[in-house]
Amino acid sequence: NAGVTQTPKFQVLKTGQSMTLQCAQDMNHNSMYWYRQDPGMGLRLIYYSASEGTTDKGEVPNGYNVSRLNKREFSLRLESAAPSQTSVYFCASSEWGNSNQPQHFGDGTRLSIL
Amino acid sequence: GDSVTQMEGPVTLSEEAFLTINCTYTATGYPSLFWYVQYPGEGLQLLLKATKADDKGSNKGFEATYRKETTSFHLEKGSVQVSDSAVYFCALSRTGGSYIPTFGRGTSLIVHP
Repeated sequence: NAGVTQTPKFQVLKTGQSMTLQCAQDMNHNSMYWYRQDPGMGLRLIYYSASEGTTDKGEVPNGYNVSRLNKREFSLRLESAAPSQTSVYFCASSEWGNSNQPQHFGDGTRLSIL
Repeated sequence: GDSVTQMEGPVTLSEEAFLTINCTYTATGYPSLFWYVQYPGEGLQLLLKATKADDKGSNKGFEATYRKETTSFHLEKGSVQVSDSAVYFCALSRTGGSYIPTFGRGTSLIVHP
């Protein structure tokens, strides 16, 4: 069972470079999410997509863009990377509208920006 | 708005010790409550959940009871193992709200042999 797959697992960028983090889920979930995790800050929501065709800002959207390519895939783009975006990024998926169901997480992308 | 407060870590225990990680929440209505575990280098995974008051969630020897009167969902384990070393997140999800879960900041558990 693949679940939620994120690529790449590790990446080092220089300030100003751009890149796209990929996420795909095979659980037929409606909703997908992007979080960042920083020491002492817990998880912070960047963007989410409640269903295919919709995206919304979360708590910390500045400097990021997203694309819900289809029901399976949700990508996160850094247009001009900054050192403050050094973090671990997690993608998650779940059923929208059912609060009893948990989120399912990928194993993360560890991103360093020099 | 909704919020989840967890005890700060790290929590350091010897193997076979009793574990409690406190979690309290603020939310309107009747949220569902979750504990997630994150092992080093991995993403979060569901450990247990409870969807209504007085429900007890349990898994892998861990337990937590949904206490509406004290708005709490404390995680307990009777005898921890070195392999339980991880970060534990308490979370809530509320029907009728935005359906975006609210997470606590996580509590790191370190178990020594």
